[in-house]
Amino acid sequence: SLLTQPPSVSMAPGQKVTISCSGSSSNIGNNYLSWYQQFPGTAPKLLIYEDNKRPSGIPDRFSGSKSGTSATLGITGLQTGDEADYFCGTWDTSLSVWVFGGGTKLTVL
Amino acid sequence: QMQLQESGPGLVKPSETLSLSLTCEVNGYSISSGYYWGWIRQTPGKGLEWIGSLFHSESPSYNPSLKSRVTMSVDTSKNQFSLIMTSVTAADTALYFCAREIRGYSSGWYNYFDHWGQGILVAVPS
Repeated sequence: SLLTQPPSVSMAPGQKVTISCSGSSSNIGNNYLSWYQQFPGTAPKLLIYEDNKRPSGIPDRFSGSKSGTSATLGITGLQTGDEADYFCGTWDTSLSVWVFGGGTKLTVL
Repeated sequence: QMQLQESGPGLVKPSETLSLSLTCEVNGYSISSGYYWGWIRQTPGKGLEWIGSLFHSESPSYNPSLKSRVTMSVDTSKNQFSLIMTSVTAADTALYFCAREIRGYSSGWYNYFDHWGQGILVAVPS
């Protein structure tokens, strides 16, 4: 994947976790990023768009930030229901293609 | 509430090659009213892969790695859009999603998929 994410992260309930997404100037560095949450057997769900905006219905426990060619998804007040796979995605201007990160599996334990 | 639903015979075999044919029906929003509409697939090994996107009045844009084998089209009368992939192999086995894409430009491209279908599993025999 052109966007690099850690394969897995884990944190205790109630704590905060961050998931990183690293890219380049042709994707994250010059275009807006979105984040998706996916539970097993279901479709991805939009969590964050345009780097740091939340769609209606997404709690403010979820946040997005970006600096240069890297972005971060933050989740506070972790709940067992947050256990899922999380993907970042954006447009790559050089390749003219949508690119996604490989996904990060969040375990809340 | 807008909903997208993938369907299709999955695999068809014209002569010696296998082709994949899928349709995405959109409910709760008129395709001809705007927005882009895309296909994304997911495999355990390669993760999420964008196949292509189209706008009802423009030529589709495709992933360069798949462009030679993919055709997308829209039928506004049925409010659905379709994907045809030719010469498929076992490597094309995946969960295929259709989705609505929000796309624009403001100090950089902003694209995101805000509504997704539930996905349809396509298994290509090896």
